[in-house]
Amino acid sequence: EVQLVESGGGLVKPGGSLRLSCAASGFTFSSYSMNWVRQAPGKGLEWVSSISSSSSYIYYADSVKGRFTISRDNAKNSLYLQMNSLRAEDTAVYYCARDRSVASFDYWGQGTLVTVSS
Amino acid sequence: QSALTQPRSVSGSPGQSVTISCTGTSSDVGGYNYVSWYQQHPGKAPKLMIYDVSKRPSGVPDRFSGSKSGNTASLTISGLQAEDEADYYCCSYAGSYTFPYVFGTGTKVTVL
Repeated sequence: EVQLVESGGGLVKPGGSLRLSCAASGFTFSSYSMNWVRQAPGKGLEWVSSISSSSSYIYYADSVKGRFTISRDNAKNSLYLQMNSLRAEDTAVYYCARDRSVASFDYWGQGTLVTVSS
Repeated sequence: QSALTQPRSVSGSPGQSVTISCTGTSSDVGGYNYVSWYQQHPGKAPKLMIYDVSKRPSGVPDRFSGSKSGNTASLTISGLQAEDEADYYCCSYAGSYTFPYVFGTGTKVTVL
């Protein structure tokens, strides 16, 4: 059974940093591109970042470029999102999601809440 | 990159059909056959319902179908059931090496 489990969310002050993790199991993690998608409270889904299976290709939404860094460790079946210079507008539930094909995500974690507030 | 445009809400009675539109541009929806649809119940993670415009993943009822015409993609739910009440989001490839994916604004489906 495919499972994605996010962790690392919490309350952080504006300007602070946080590192999210996503532990994958039930599939060959190293064969799939992975993504982070976020959802602000009461709002819609927003794609944040993607990383290819071998980390050769990395993409970011303009809203996080230069502040967030996506990475993965295929030996540990884990995906990460390092978030620096956090802003109030980064407050959201962050989901990790597996690529099924172009622009489709077939498995999602349960999400981890990041709250940026003083 | 602007979000794709979806109606804020649609509704229908059990057994009826509803269609949700997802309007983009020739740079995203209209330019590629890579549109997906997600169902999200309150407090839950999104679930993939349609990918590559009209393909259904295993386990998704055939009441759900997808199509595309020009810059607008559509999700149709036939034989509406109470459990279909949820938020629905479209997503499209945007063709950019720097910004490949864009989601829709989301549609609340209400079963009357």
